[in-house]
Amino acid sequence: EAQVTQNPRYLITVTGKKLTVTCSQNMNHEYMSWYRQDPGLGLRQIYYSMNVEVTDKGDVPEGYKVSRKEKRNFPLILESPSPNQTSLYFCASSTRQGTYYGYTFGSGTRLTVV
Amino acid sequence: ELKVEQNPLFLSMQEGKNYTIYCNYSTTSDRLYWYRQDPGKSLESLFVLLSNGAVKQEGRLMASLDTKARLSTLHITAAVHDLSATYFCAVDSRYTGTASKLTFGTGTRLQVTL
Repeated sequence: EAQVTQNPRYLITVTGKKLTVTCSQNMNHEYMSWYRQDPGLGLRQIYYSMNVEVTDKGDVPEGYKVSRKEKRNFPLILESPSPNQTSLYFCASSTRQGTYYGYTFGSGTRLTVV
Repeated sequence: ELKVEQNPLFLSMQEGKNYTIYCNYSTTSDRLYWYRQDPGKSLESLFVLLSNGAVKQEGRLMASLDTKARLSTLHITAAVHDLSATYFCAVDSRYTGTASKLTFGTGTRLQVTL
């Protein structure tokens, strides 16, 4: 089954304790991205990657890092989490389908930083 | 900077009624996506609209795109309880053959009551 797998689904952590949210896709998509969802703000892009070793900032990259060492994996790293990073996070992978990009989203990771 | 505005933010409607959700965006684009999100779940793709005047229908939902007015609508016909969810529009503001970026609206939470 074609899917984007995120782990963990839920995470409660303390301020300053480094954490990684993993994202893996099995569709051989070249394009992957991370979004955060906050009430009243919709989804906002954090980082994206056009291919292996190619990453770039989205709209809200502060406090986050990413890496793309393999095509299938795109982890999101919070080196020193703060309470304002409490949010629902989605990983997405996509590929060109004719004249548009088709997106598949993961199941989400609900992060709480206390 | 691209702005994508949805209204209303919250919609409570009775079963059997019709209503329309509006999605306005601030820059030229002819790639417009609609997603559905159930509580605690991921995003499910509903429609991708790719040209001015595009109209797509699935069951009780119909989406249209007017690129000149920078407006997309999602029309709900004879609502049923199963349509209760949050609906997002998203604009691809960076589409080229090798790039893409989705900018999301704030979402419309639809509640269908008996």
